Amino acid sequence: EPEVTQTPSHQVTQMGQEVILRCVPISNHLYFYWYRQILGQKVEFLVSFYNNEISEKSEIFDDQFSVERPDGSNFTLKIRSTKLEDSAMYFCASSDYRGGPGEQYFGPGTRLTVT
Amino acid sequence: GENVEQHPSTLSVQEGDSAVIKCTYSDSASNYFPWYKQELGKGPQLIIDIRSNVGEKKDQRIAVTLNKTAKHFSLHITETQPEDSAVYFCAASLTDSWGKLQFGAGTQVVVTP
Repeated sequence: EPEVTQTPSHQVTQMGQEVILRCVPISNHLYFYWYRQILGQKVEFLVSFYNNEISEKSEIFDDQFSVERPDGSNFTLKIRSTKLEDSAMYFCASSDYRGGPGEQYFGPGTRLTVT
Repeated sequence: GENVEQHPSTLSVQEGDSAVIKCTYSDSASNYFPWYKQELGKGPQLIIDIRSNVGEKKDQRIAVTLNKTAKHFSLHITETQPEDSAVYFCAASLTDSWGKLQFGAGTQVVVTP
């Protein structure tokens, strides 16, 4: 069964450093998403991406964040200068087209720890 | 924006009993309501969803009901088994909003043998 994959599973970085989180969505999907989950809190929407551009983003997704689909298979989230409060589990998701976004399938997540 | 409330935060049931988790949403325009199961160390797994044009949907031991007037929806798990132990999240979305999901806070379900 096709699945969303994410690397690395755990990333430790120092405050102020740049990190890139990587995702490989399900191959025939057209919509891509990043969510995050701070320990003990809700899963929060960060950004959606369709047709090679951001379609929607949340207030959390400020200028420190960017997304890219550098090739036909990868989808990345970059945080330019990490802060302590960026420590969280980051989930990538993808969905196909059903006249609009279909069901979203999530990857296993990358745990980001900022020290 | 949309706000999703979920209750209870924890639910302990004996194996074989039923479990019910309830969610309310604030935006009457929301029209897609998925449920996700999250096991320790894993990502959320879609287990069932419902769209606003139906009131109930069932898949084996899992069912979801939707009351659009009251703006609430519920997950029902019958004949619970130890492998049903996990955190369950409800979510709501407006399909015209590029699929952005607003999640509830989650319910920790523990099924005791």
